[in-house]
Amino acid sequence: GENVEQHPSTLSVQEGDSAVIKCTYSDSASNYFPWYKQELGKRPQLIIDIRSNVGEKKDQRIAVTLNKTAKHFSLHITETQPEDSAVYFCAPSRMRGYQKVTFGTGTKLQVIP
Amino acid sequence: NAGVTQTPKFRILKIGQSMTLQCTQDMNHNYMYWYRQDPGMGLKLIYYSVGAGITDKGEVPNGYNVSRSTTEDFPLRLELAAPSQTSVYFCASTTPGSYTGELFFGEGSRLTVL
Repeated sequence: GENVEQHPSTLSVQEGDSAVIKCTYSDSASNYFPWYKQELGKRPQLIIDIRSNVGEKKDQRIAVTLNKTAKHFSLHITETQPEDSAVYFCAPSRMRGYQKVTFGTGTKLQVIP
Repeated sequence: NAGVTQTPKFRILKIGQSMTLQCTQDMNHNYMYWYRQDPGMGLKLIYYSVGAGITDKGEVPNGYNVSRSTTEDFPLRLELAAPSQTSVYFCASTTPGSYTGELFFGEGSRLTVL
C-alpha cells in the first residue's frame, strides 16, 4: 500500500441510501485489496476483499470495485442499515513478499434511521 | 483456535514506567503486527515481523521495542512510558501466500499513561 488515502473521512446517509468510500494507494505492486469494519470499542474485522485479477466482487449489500490502473478501489454499501454505522478502513498490500501493511485513514459512516 | 490473544486488556501506567504488551496467536501465522489507534483516529503501524528472529519498524516505532523468538509470540515493550503513548494497541497476524491476506486482530490493549 505505502501511501494510502481514504475519502471521505466522514459520511452520513439516510437509512436505505447507498454509501461509497474510496481508497487510493501508491504501491503499484499491491495485489490484495481488503476493507475492514470497526465498530465502536471493537477490533477491526474483514468484511470484503478483492485480488488484483478481479475487477469487482459483491457479497449481498456490500461490493468492492478495483481500478488497478488508477490505483484506487472502492467500497459500496447499498440499502444501508443502522448496523452499518462504523469506521471503515482499507489496507492494500502485497500477498507475497514485502508485507508492511499500512491502513487508510478511515471513514466514519453514520446511517441515520 | 483462540486466534490472536492480547494481554492485558487494560493498563494504567505512570510516566517513566515500562511494561510489555503480550500477543500470541495459535494459527501458525508467519507475519505479525503491532498497531496503535489513538481516540477517533486510524491504525498506525508500530513494528512488524515476518518470522521468528525477524522484525522491522513501521510508521511510529519510537519509544517501543519488539522481539520475535517464536512463531506464536510477538511482545511489544514500552520503555519509559509517556502520555503520548496513551492509546489502544492492536496485535494482528496473517500468513503469506494464503488465499487471502486477511489480518486477524486481537481484541486490543487499552493503555493509559498518567
